[in-house]
Amino acid sequence: GNSVTQMEGPVTLSEEAFLTINCTYTATGYPSLFWYVQYPGEGLQLLLKATKADDKGSNKGFEATYRKETTSFHLEKGSVQVSDSAVYFCALSGLNDYKLSFGAGTTVTVRA
Amino acid sequence: DADVTQTPRNRITKTGKRIMLECSQTKGHDRMYWYRQDPGLGLRLIYYSFDVKDINKGEISDGYSVSRQAQAKFSLSLESAIPNQTALYFCATSDRQGGVTGELFFGEGSRLTVL
Repeated sequence: GNSVTQMEGPVTLSEEAFLTINCTYTATGYPSLFWYVQYPGEGLQLLLKATKADDKGSNKGFEATYRKETTSFHLEKGSVQVSDSAVYFCALSGLNDYKLSFGAGTTVTVRA
Repeated sequence: DADVTQTPRNRITKTGKRIMLECSQTKGHDRMYWYRQDPGLGLRLIYYSFDVKDINKGEISDGYSVSRQAQAKFSLSLESAIPNQTALYFCATSDRQGGVTGELFFGEGSRLTVL
């Protein structure tokens, strides 16, 4: 079945540092890939997505590229802010699946 | 007001008690979901409903039941709560393209503690 593996946290960074969160997946066919973010005390919200190989999703300074050859969808941001402190979830949905499979989540803390 | 509202937000109960978590939405979406979040395990799907007459088990449905009372309401019940059901529960909604677009809309969560 479909599954997602993302790097374990927690990750602690200083403001303006570079952030990478690794995500790899296992799926049949060509899944769609997503990053969700959960700010403290809130529900998850969609951060970005990519629906086919080599697509790059981007939002709020974050980027992730759908790499079929390495089955990866790593999240990156060049200069993080304190407000980026959150839990980040990688997720996928398979073709005609209509349900999302989530990774374990990575907690990111950015210090001023 | 939030588009997806969960009640209660926090609940402490004892082993063996019946608990209901309620979810209502104003987004007009057909599809609703219940997820459970545990540290280190991410979100796991308990049940999902694609419309009022269509309810499906997710990956961890044992010990849970659901009711879709209306398009806007989807409740989760624990008939006899046990301590390993202590978790943060999320309700989510999507439109019919939700699985393709990945756009789920989540409530703020219901934290349940079973003693």
